[in-house]
Amino acid sequence: DIQMTQSPSSLSASVGDRVTITCRASQSISSYLNWYQQKPGKAPKLLIYAASSLQSGVPSRFSGSGSGTDFTLTISSLQPEDFATYYCQQSYSTLSYTFGQGTKLEIK
Amino acid sequence: QVQLVQSGAEVKKPGASVKVSCKASGYTFTGYYMHWVRQAPGQGLEWMGWINPNSGGTNYAQKFQGRVTMTRDTSISTAYMELSRLRSDDTAVYYCAREPRGVGATEYYFDYWGQGTLVTVSS
Repeated sequence: DIQMTQSPSSLSASVGDRVTITCRASQSISSYLNWYQQKPGKAPKLLIYAASSLQSGVPSRFSGSGSGTDFTLTISSLQPEDFATYYCQQSYSTLSYTFGQGTKLEIK
Repeated sequence: QVQLVQSGAEVKKPGASVKVSCKASGYTFTGYYMHWVRQAPGQGLEWMGWINPNSGGTNYAQKFQGRVTMTRDTSISTAYMELSRLRSDDTAVYYCAREPRGVGATEYYFDYWGQGTLVTVSS
């Protein structure tokens, strides 16, 4: 199975900060990388698909980049509603999808 | 609007089975794959497998092979996930999630999720 490793595991930041979360795949996954946001007690929500495509309705302060094995999710200016846990997911292997372990974004 | 509505919470004893349902509405049920993902308390997301509602074809994560069965009833636009021989570490919230995988699809992601079903395994 393809392993996905996120860093950092947790992050403290302030409203208005620029934040970057990294996801690394154990092998090349081209651009088959998605990002989800999850708030406590809620289902995950798709933010970015295919590494850099913004899902409809998601604010433009969210952006994704990368290809191959290294990917980033950037939030350009943190808003209060952005404090959540973020997961990357590879969909290169459609017979075995895998998620990163998550990055918890907390208020500083 | 697209909705995935899951069945309610379950409490099961070790060794028992559980069957969770996911009723879809607002789109053509057979046009999208359905995945199941679980999340143990305080833990991350774990993919379990998918079903193609059109053909009934399935694909399961190796970890769950032999214990999980995914089915569907197209007449009522509902997908099911049954997990057998339950253990305490199967205690988790189970989600269904839709994947738009039409003919010629080149991108694969989960765009809509159910609200989750808590399954508690306890003696």
